[in-house]
Amino acid sequence: DTAVSQTPKYLVTQMGNDKSIKCEQNLGHDTMYWYKQDSKKFLKIMFSYNNKELIINETVPNRFSPKSPDKAHLNLHINSLELGDSAVYFCATRRSRTDNEQFFGPGTRLTVL
Amino acid sequence: AQSVTQPDIHITVSEGASLELRCNYSYGATPYLFWYVQSPGQGLQLLLKYFSGDTLVQGIKGFEAEFKRSQSSFNLRKPSVHWSDAAEYFCAVETSGNTGKLIFGQGTTLQVKP
Repeated sequence: DTAVSQTPKYLVTQMGNDKSIKCEQNLGHDTMYWYKQDSKKFLKIMFSYNNKELIINETVPNRFSPKSPDKAHLNLHINSLELGDSAVYFCATRRSRTDNEQFFGPGTRLTVL
Repeated sequence: AQSVTQPDIHITVSEGASLELRCNYSYGATPYLFWYVQSPGQGLQLLLKYFSGDTLVQGIKGFEAEFKRSQSSFNLRKPSVHWSDAAEYFCAVETSGNTGKLIFGQGTTLQVKP
Protein backbone atom coordinates (compact mmCIF):
# COMPACT_ATOMS: atom_id res chain seq x y z
CA ASP A 1 0.00 0.00 0.00
CA THR A 2 1.34 3.39 -0.99
CA ALA A 3 1.47 5.73 2.01
CA VAL A 4 1.19 8.99 0.09
CA SER A 5 -0.15 8.79 -3.44
CA GLN A 6 -0.65 11.44 -6.08
CA THR A 7 -2.69 11.44 -9.26
CA PRO A 8 -1.90 11.91 -11.98
CA LYS A 9 1.81 11.17 -12.17
CA TYR A 10 2.16 13.17 -15.37
CA LEU A 11 -0.04 16.00 -16.60
CA VAL A 12 0.43 17.75 -19.93
CA THR A 13 -1.93 20.58 -20.73
CA GLN A 14 -2.31 23.81 -22.66
CA MET A 15 -1.92 27.32 -21.30
CA GLY A 16 -5.12 28.74 -19.94
CA ASN A 17 -6.60 25.41 -18.90
CA ASP A 18 -7.72 24.52 -15.36
CA LYS A 19 -6.38 21.34 -13.80
CA SER A 20 -6.34 19.52 -10.48
CA ILE A 21 -3.79 17.30 -8.80
CA LYS A 22 -4.94 14.92 -6.10
CA CYS A 23 -3.14 13.67 -3.03
CA GLU A 24 -4.25 10.89 -0.73
CA GLN A 25 -2.57 9.50 2.37
CA ASN A 26 -3.38 6.35 4.30
CA LEU A 27 -1.06 7.10 7.22
CA GLY A 28 -3.68 8.80 9.36
CA HIS A 29 -1.50 11.89 9.58
CA ASP A 30 -2.93 15.24 10.63
CA THR A 31 -0.92 17.58 8.42
CA MET A 32 -0.50 17.69 4.66
CA TYR A 33 1.61 19.90 2.40
CA TRP A 34 2.07 20.91 -1.20
CA TYR A 35 5.57 21.68 -2.49
CA LYS A 36 6.68 22.88 -5.91
CA GLN A 37 10.00 21.74 -7.41
CA ASP A 38 11.09 23.87 -10.33
CA SER A 39 13.31 22.95 -13.27
CA LYS A 40 16.42 23.66 -11.20
CA LYS A 41 15.18 21.20 -8.59
CA PHE A 42 14.55 23.96 -6.06
CA LEU A 43 11.83 22.93 -3.60
CA LYS A 44 9.46 25.45 -2.10
CA ILE A 45 6.49 24.99 0.16
CA MET A 46 3.16 26.25 -1.13
CA PHE A 47 0.43 25.24 1.30
CA SER A 48 -0.25 23.20 4.39
CA TYR A 49 -3.41 21.91 6.01
CA ASN A 50 -3.75 20.55 9.52
CA ASN A 51 -6.95 18.63 10.13
CA LYS A 52 -8.55 20.38 7.17
CA GLU A 53 -7.47 23.82 8.41
CA LEU A 54 -5.14 25.93 6.27
CA ILE A 55 -2.01 26.72 8.32
CA ILE A 56 0.55 27.68 5.70
CA ASN A 57 -0.22 29.78 2.66
CA GLU A 58 2.93 30.97 1.00
CA THR A 59 3.14 33.68 -1.59
CA VAL A 60 1.68 31.85 -4.54
CA PRO A 61 -0.65 33.21 -7.21
CA ASN A 62 -4.30 32.97 -6.25
CA ARG A 63 -4.78 30.81 -9.33
CA PHE A 64 -3.61 28.04 -7.02
CA SER A 65 -6.21 26.82 -4.57
CA PRO A 66 -5.78 23.90 -2.20
CA LYS A 67 -8.78 21.97 -1.02
CA SER A 68 -8.94 19.42 1.77
CA PRO A 69 -12.25 17.52 1.69
CA ASP A 70 -11.13 15.34 4.57
CA LYS A 71 -8.03 14.60 6.61
CA ALA A 72 -6.78 12.01 4.12
CA HIS A 73 -6.94 14.20 1.04
CA LEU A 74 -5.37 17.45 -0.08
CA ASN A 75 -6.00 18.48 -3.65
CA LEU A 76 -4.43 21.30 -5.61
CA HIS A 77 -6.47 23.12 -8.20
CA ILE A 78 -4.79 25.44 -10.65
CA ASN A 79 -6.72 27.90 -12.79
CA SER A 80 -5.58 29.54 -16.02
CA LEU A 81 -2.36 27.58 -16.25
CA GLU A 82 0.77 29.43 -17.34
CA LEU A 83 4.07 28.23 -18.77
CA GLY A 84 5.79 29.02 -15.48
CA ASP A 85 3.57 26.58 -13.64
CA SER A 86 5.46 23.73 -15.25
CA ALA A 87 7.13 21.90 -12.38
CA VAL A 88 6.96 18.80 -10.25
CA TYR A 89 4.44 19.13 -7.44
CA PHE A 90 4.93 17.07 -4.31
CA CYS A 91 2.44 16.26 -1.62
CA ALA A 92 3.77 15.47 1.84
CA THR A 93 2.33 14.52 5.20
CA ARG A 94 3.30 14.80 8.84
CA ARG A 95 1.83 12.81 11.72
CA SER A 96 1.12 15.83 13.90
CA ARG A 97 2.29 19.33 14.66
CA THR A 98 4.83 17.98 17.13
CA ASP A 99 6.22 15.21 14.94
CA ASN A 100 8.74 16.66 12.52
CA GLU A 101 9.25 13.95 9.91
CA GLN A 102 7.51 14.53 6.59
CA PHE A 103 6.60 11.77 4.17
CA PHE A 104 6.58 12.69 0.51
CA GLY A 105 4.50 11.41 -2.36
CA PRO A 106 6.06 10.44 -5.70
CA GLY A 107 5.29 13.77 -7.34
CA THR A 108 3.20 14.99 -10.25
CA ARG A 109 5.09 16.37 -13.23
CA LEU A 110 3.03 19.18 -14.76
CA THR A 111 3.95 20.42 -18.21
CA VAL A 112 2.17 23.47 -19.59
CA LEU A 113 2.49 23.95 -23.35
CA ALA B 1 15.29 35.28 7.11
CA GLN B 2 15.95 31.59 7.35
CA SER B 3 17.96 30.07 4.55
CA VAL B 4 19.88 26.96 3.66
CA THR B 5 22.91 26.84 1.40
CA GLN B 6 24.38 23.78 -0.21
CA PRO B 7 27.59 25.07 -1.79
CA ASP B 8 28.15 22.08 -4.06
CA ILE B 9 25.69 21.77 -6.92
CA HIS B 10 27.25 18.61 -8.28
CA ILE B 11 29.68 16.10 -6.74
CA THR B 12 31.23 13.03 -8.33
CA VAL B 13 32.89 10.34 -6.24
CA SER B 14 34.18 6.88 -6.99
CA GLU B 15 32.35 3.90 -5.60
CA GLY B 16 33.86 2.97 -2.25
CA ALA B 17 35.20 6.45 -1.60
CA SER B 18 34.06 8.60 1.29
CA LEU B 19 31.53 11.35 0.85
CA GLU B 20 30.80 14.66 2.49
CA LEU B 21 27.99 16.95 1.37
CA ARG B 22 28.01 20.43 2.83
CA CYS B 23 25.09 22.35 4.26
CA ASN B 24 25.06 25.75 5.92
CA TYR B 25 22.00 27.34 7.44
CA SER B 26 20.91 30.71 8.65
CA TYR B 27 18.43 30.65 11.50
CA GLY B 28 18.14 32.63 14.71
CA ALA B 29 17.19 29.90 17.12
CA THR B 30 18.27 26.29 17.49
CA PRO B 31 17.26 24.77 14.21
CA TYR B 32 15.58 21.53 13.36
CA LEU B 33 17.74 20.16 10.52
CA PHE B 34 17.10 17.45 7.98
CA TRP B 35 18.72 15.66 5.10
CA TYR B 36 16.49 14.20 2.40
CA VAL B 37 17.41 12.10 -0.63
CA GLN B 38 15.57 12.10 -3.93
CA SER B 39 16.21 9.28 -6.38
CA PRO B 40 15.41 9.96 -10.04
CA GLY B 41 11.69 10.23 -10.61
CA GLN B 42 10.90 9.67 -6.96
CA GLY B 43 9.72 11.65 -3.98
CA LEU B 44 11.94 12.64 -1.09
CA GLN B 45 13.00 10.23 1.62
CA LEU B 46 14.26 11.32 5.02
CA LEU B 47 17.85 10.25 5.69
CA LEU B 48 18.27 11.77 9.13
CA LYS B 49 17.32 14.67 11.35
CA TYR B 50 18.72 16.73 14.19
CA PHE B 51 16.73 18.45 16.88
CA SER B 52 18.92 18.51 19.96
CA GLY B 53 21.36 16.43 21.98
CA ASP B 54 24.22 14.54 20.43
CA THR B 55 25.53 16.58 17.52
CA LEU B 56 26.44 13.49 15.50
CA VAL B 57 23.32 11.83 14.20
CA GLN B 58 23.00 8.52 12.44
CA GLY B 59 20.58 7.94 9.63
CA ILE B 60 19.50 5.29 7.21
CA LYS B 61 21.64 3.74 4.48
CA GLY B 62 24.85 4.29 6.45
CA PHE B 63 24.68 8.09 6.43
CA GLU B 64 25.55 10.37 9.32
CA ALA B 65 25.58 14.11 9.83
CA GLU B 66 27.25 16.42 12.30
CA PHE B 67 25.68 19.59 13.63
CA LYS B 68 28.20 22.36 14.30
CA ARG B 69 26.57 25.41 15.80
CA SER B 70 29.74 27.51 15.61
CA GLN B 71 29.91 26.98 11.85
CA SER B 72 26.13 26.92 11.24
CA SER B 73 26.69 23.68 9.39
CA PHE B 74 25.08 20.28 9.14
CA ASN B 75 27.25 18.25 6.79
CA LEU B 76 26.27 14.81 5.58
CA ARG B 77 28.83 12.03 5.44
CA LYS B 78 29.17 8.44 4.37
CA PRO B 79 32.40 6.45 4.75
CA SER B 80 31.97 4.33 1.62
CA VAL B 81 29.65 5.28 -1.22
CA HIS B 82 27.69 2.70 -3.18
CA TRP B 83 26.51 3.14 -6.78
CA SER B 84 22.93 3.17 -5.52
CA ASP B 85 23.66 6.36 -3.57
CA ALA B 86 23.61 8.37 -6.80
CA ALA B 87 20.74 10.80 -6.26
CA GLU B 88 19.83 14.36 -5.35
CA TYR B 89 20.43 15.33 -1.73
CA PHE B 90 18.60 18.13 0.01
CA CYS B 91 19.37 19.80 3.31
CA ALA B 92 16.46 21.52 5.02
CA VAL B 93 15.68 23.56 8.12
CA GLU B 94 12.31 23.70 9.81
CA THR B 95 11.15 27.08 10.93
CA SER B 96 9.44 27.58 14.23
CA GLY B 97 5.80 27.38 15.13
CA ASN B 98 5.22 23.67 14.70
CA THR B 99 3.86 24.23 11.24
CA GLY B 100 6.45 21.98 9.69
CA LYS B 101 7.46 24.60 7.16
CA LEU B 102 10.70 23.35 5.61
CA ILE B 103 13.20 25.62 3.92
CA PHE B 104 15.29 23.60 1.48
CA GLY B 105 18.74 24.11 0.10
CA GLN B 106 19.36 24.04 -3.62
CA GLY B 107 20.28 20.40 -3.59
CA THR B 108 23.47 18.53 -4.45
CA THR B 109 23.54 16.01 -7.25
CA LEU B 110 25.71 13.04 -6.40
CA GLN B 111 27.20 11.01 -9.22
CA VAL B 112 29.01 7.76 -8.40
CA LYS B 113 31.73 6.48 -10.72
CA PRO B 114 32.27 2.73 -10.94
